Amino acid sequence: SQQGEEDPQALSIQEGENATMNCSYKTSINNLQWYRQNSGRGLVHLILIRSNEREKHSGRLRVTLDTSKKSSSLLITASRAADTASYFCATETGGGNKLTFGTGTQLKVEL
Amino acid sequence: DTEVTQTPKHLVMGMTNKKSLKCEQHMGHRAMYWYKQKAKKPPELMFVYSYEKLSINESVPSRFSPECPNSSLLNLHLHALQPEDSALYLCASSQPGGNEQYFGPGTRLTVT
Repeated sequence: SQQGEEDPQALSIQEGENATMNCSYKTSINNLQWYRQNSGRGLVHLILIRSNEREKHSGRLRVTLDTSKKSSSLLITASRAADTASYFCATETGGGNKLTFGTGTQLKVEL
Repeated sequence: DTEVTQTPKHLVMGMTNKKSLKCEQHMGHRAMYWYKQKAKKPPELMFVYSYEKLSINESVPSRFSPECPNSSLLNLHLHALQPEDSALYLCASSQPGGNEQYFGPGTRLTVT
């Protein structure tokens, strides 16, 4: 079953602009993770934020977590064409290594 | 070595065939996973092995049979599949405890 809903479903921006993706989930979590997937290939882990954290940075990525609203956002600053990919949030609820993925956002960064 | 390898990359099989997907990691991870992903959908968890023991089976049909021969290897045995089983099958590994997962490139399976 799906835990997370992401919006927008698709996002198209120009290189250099910022991209923001949002994830909402339904139950309490231990952590929330963001992954990137290029064109039907394997997923790449981007960042993990724990339930007691509110914000985390990694390079051009900024993730926020609001457990009271059961939502998270991923901000990619100064986007590049190479950022074109699908982005998924995934929640870990302490049920034994189980990740449940959101619906995903398809990001297209145009030159 | 932070790589998860999967073989084969592509597989076409008939509904009466038996085949196996293979996954390998050398990161010392003790949790390994199989996911199924349909086009434009998120990955769906199928199985989790923790310390070489099956810990989660997400009500997967018995025509899919997982095996974890040792801490580095994970197999998925396929038998009597249906065309709707055509998908990208992803393997992943992690340290147990809900940590970040490392994914292989996947096997694209077509059932004819």
